[in-house]
Amino acid sequence: GAVVSQHPSRVICKSGTSVKIECRSLDFQATTMFWYRQFPKQSLMLMATSNEGSKATYEQGVEKDKFLINHASLTLSTLTVTSAHPEDSSFYICSARDPYSGGDEQYFGPGTRLTVT
Amino acid sequence: AQSVSQHNHHVILSEAASLELGCNYSYGGTVNLFWYVQYPGQHLQLLLKYFSGDPLVKGIKGFEAEFIKSKFSFNLRKPSVQWSDTAEYFCAVNTGFQKLVFGTGTRLLVSP
Repeated sequence: GAVVSQHPSRVICKSGTSVKIECRSLDFQATTMFWYRQFPKQSLMLMATSNEGSKATYEQGVEKDKFLINHASLTLSTLTVTSAHPEDSSFYICSARDPYSGGDEQYFGPGTRLTVT
Repeated sequence: AQSVSQHNHHVILSEAASLELGCNYSYGGTVNLFWYVQYPGQHLQLLLKYFSGDPLVKGIKGFEAEFIKSKFSFNLRKPSVQWSDTAEYFCAVNTGFQKLVFGTGTRLLVSP
C-alpha cells in the first residue's frame, strides 16, 4: 500500500524557535496532503489542507502565520511551527491522498512528537 | 459543523469475545465513512470504508461495519477478537472537499 513518511519522529525545541516537519509520500504523488494535530487522549484535529503549487487552506482557529505549510512538490509537504511555545507541544500527523487510489482514502504518516521547552 | 461520536472510550475484552464499537455522525448529506486503526507505536491504518452500495462493509482482519443511514451510524464489529487487535480505533467521516472529521477514538484492550 501507499506509504507516507514524516521527519523527524520526535523533536524538542526551545520556546521562541521554529521547527520544520516534513511529510513525504514515498511511492505515489500526492496533490493534496493534510496536517492534523492530536492532543493526548483526544482525536485528530485537521489543521490545514496542503495543495501542491498553491496556498494551504487552514481550518478555523488555526493561525496560518504560526503554522506555515509549504507543498512544493507532489511528494513533499512541510509544516513549520514558528516561534514555538509550550502550548504548541503536541503530536502532529500528516496524511496524503492518492488521487489514483479510486477513493477518498488518506494514507497517514507515523506522526511527529513536538515538545517545546 | 459535522461531528463524529464514539461512545466507548475504553473497551476491555477477552480473546474470542465479540466486539462492537459505536460510531454516530451528524451530517444530513452524502457521507463517506471510515474506520481507522492505530496499533501501539504505529501510524493510522485504514480498516474499512463505505462510499456507497451494500451498507455492510467488510474490511481487513475480519472486521466489518454496517452503515445505517436512518440512525446516522457506522458501527464496527468483529465476531471474535484476538490479542493482536489491541489498538485504538477511530471512526471518521468525509463530507466533501476530502476533509476527514474524526471521532475521539476507542482504546481496545484484548486480554489473552
